[in-house]
Amino acid sequence: GNSVTQMEGPVTLSEEAFLTINCTYTATGYPSLFWYVQYPGEGLQLLLKATKADDKGSNKGFEATYRKETTSFHLEKGSVQVSDSAVYFCALSDGDYGGSQGNLIFGKGTKLSVKP
Amino acid sequence: EPEVTQTPSHQVTQMGQEVILRCVPISNHLYFYWYRQILGQKVEFLVSFYNNEISEKSEIFDDQFSVERPDGSNFTLKIRSTKLEDSAMYFCASSQQGFGTDTQYFGPGTRLTVL
Repeated sequence: GNSVTQMEGPVTLSEEAFLTINCTYTATGYPSLFWYVQYPGEGLQLLLKATKADDKGSNKGFEATYRKETTSFHLEKGSVQVSDSAVYFCALSDGDYGGSQGNLIFGKGTKLSVKP
Repeated sequence: EPEVTQTPSHQVTQMGQEVILRCVPISNHLYFYWYRQILGQKVEFLVSFYNNEISEKSEIFDDQFSVERPDGSNFTLKIRSTKLEDSAMYFCASSQQGFGTDTQYFGPGTRLTVL
């Protein structure tokens, strides 16, 4: 079945450091890929998404490129801030071709802590 | 900006009791979902709902669970007889079109604690 694998956390970085959170997926068909962020005490917010191969999603300085050849959707940011401290979830949805209503399959989440 | 709301934010109940978790999806959205997140674990899909019917449900969504859209705005998740292992954060989500490419907007969650 479809699945998402994320790098284990927690990840601790200093402010202005470069961030990469790895995400790989297993899916049939042509899934859409998402990164959601969960700030402390809050719900899930969409950070960015990509709906086809080679698409790059970007938002708030974060980027991720949909790589079909490596089945990956790694999240990157060039210079993290303390306010980026949160849990980041990679997710996929196969709703267009899988016959389902676009239900999301999540990775386990990666906790990021950014120190001043 | 429109948002998904959920009530209550925290519910404590005794094992075997019934609970109803409430959600108000974004008003022009037609597709609704429930997910749950057991502490420290991944977010898991429970059920999707469209046009007053369940579209899909996971293995977790057994006969103890039910969903309903009782009126034009609310979307509820009922657990008939709660178990200790039902303790989790429950998230409601909604989307406009329901396609895999569509964004699902999540509520802030209801933390359910079963004692």
